[in-house]
Amino acid sequence: NAGVMQNPRHLVRRRGQEARLRCSPMKGHSHVYWYRQLPEEGLKFMVYLQKENIIDESGMPKERFSAEFPKEGPSILRIQQVVRGDSAAYFCASSPSSGGNTIYFGEGSWLTVV
Amino acid sequence: QKEVEQNSGPLSVPEGAIASLNCTYSDRGSQSFFWYRQYSGKSPELIMSIYSNGDKEDGRFTAQLNKASQYVSLLIRDSQPSDSATYLCAVQSDYKLSFGAGTTVTVRA
Repeated sequence: NAGVMQNPRHLVRRRGQEARLRCSPMKGHSHVYWYRQLPEEGLKFMVYLQKENIIDESGMPKERFSAEFPKEGPSILRIQQVVRGDSAAYFCASSPSSGGNTIYFGEGSWLTVV
Repeated sequence: QKEVEQNSGPLSVPEGAIASLNCTYSDRGSQSFFWYRQYSGKSPELIMSIYSNGDKEDGRFTAQLNKASQYVSLLIRDSQPSDSATYLCAVQSDYKLSFGAGTTVTVRA
């Protein structure tokens, strides 16, 4: 887990507000992944990004969710108009490249929608 | 069919015993296989990776892979109370890591 930095660690939002989760990958890693873990469930793939590119967003809900990984700065997972069902742990992970490389996870961001 | 399936828990073992965890996967093209440990309220922590058929040992942990049967397992020998956690099997195809739902292990002192 060392090196993948996520913030905030805990976030509380009211229904209808926006949530922004940030992730800085490990040094030297250019590939970022976002996973969501609902209570009592396994991790579900959401999106895979490289710098300035979304490679695979097949796991992202079609509406309200977006992700980016700009040339400078952290990756951002943005959830607009949050609903109670968005309450979950959101984990960011990074790897130096794709395919066969170990993926390391950050500490996670726990979103609670009230 | 789920991409990655794990034996349903919870699994309770006495201290010092062997805990055996099983996992099957559906994608025959999967290349890399991992076991993560996750404590409640924490992030997954990589404990084992295995890439070729056979056994791989690391301390008290042994991972076994059988690609023909699409089967991965994890043995925890001399189980300790600190091993009580949820164990996640993860299978990688290209860049995507797919996880099982996890098996919760409780080691009784």
